[in-house]
Amino acid sequence: GENVEQHPSTLSVQEGDSAVIKCTYSDSASNYFPWYKQELGKRPQLIIDIRSNVGEKKDQRIAVTLNKTAKHFSLHITETQPEDSAVYFCAAYGTALIFGKGTTLSVSS
Amino acid sequence: GAGVSQTPSNKVTEKGKYVELRCDPISGHTALYWYRQSLGQGPEFLIYFQGTGAADDSGLPNDRFFAVRPEGSVSTLKIQRTERGDSAVYLCASSLISGAFGGEQFFGPGTRLTVL
Repeated sequence: GENVEQHPSTLSVQEGDSAVIKCTYSDSASNYFPWYKQELGKRPQLIIDIRSNVGEKKDQRIAVTLNKTAKHFSLHITETQPEDSAVYFCAAYGTALIFGKGTTLSVSS
Repeated sequence: GAGVSQTPSNKVTEKGKYVELRCDPISGHTALYWYRQSLGQGPEFLIYFQGTGAADDSGLPNDRFFAVRPEGSVSTLKIQRTERGDSAVYLCASSLISGAFGGEQFFGPGTRLTVL
């Protein structure tokens, strides 16, 4: 079955810096890759997703890139703000949605 | 409109007891998913329904876990003979249709299960 690895597990940046979170997946049949943000005690919320037929997608300060050949995808957050602090999960959908272990992002002002 | 709702929000039970966790998906969503999230981990897939039928139950850890969705809307996750290792937040999600092109999965607030 699908296996998703996510790095780093924790990431600390200064406000205004960029943050990058990377994920790899194992099942070449996976074709949908969402990213979720989860604040403490809250439900996961979708922030951006990408499908296998595109290599990059951007939404304001957030972008995701996908390399199907290498089976990895990345989340890029530019001009980070303290409210970006949360746990971020990548996921890959083959026959089911499989999540990475999460990255705790801390943005200090 | 209303989002995904789950009840109860918290459930404390004793080892060996039976529990039921309920999920109310977004109206009109045909796909419903159950996940389990342990502290410091990502959501772990358990089972998903397309309509009334369980399309994929490969994530259920053992036969103590069972889920139903008899009318294609509300779903109940049932855990028999609970063990301390079952303690986690159980998340439910729904999407318009299933599959990778089914669109965003919307999550409920979760049920925090504690087995003493």
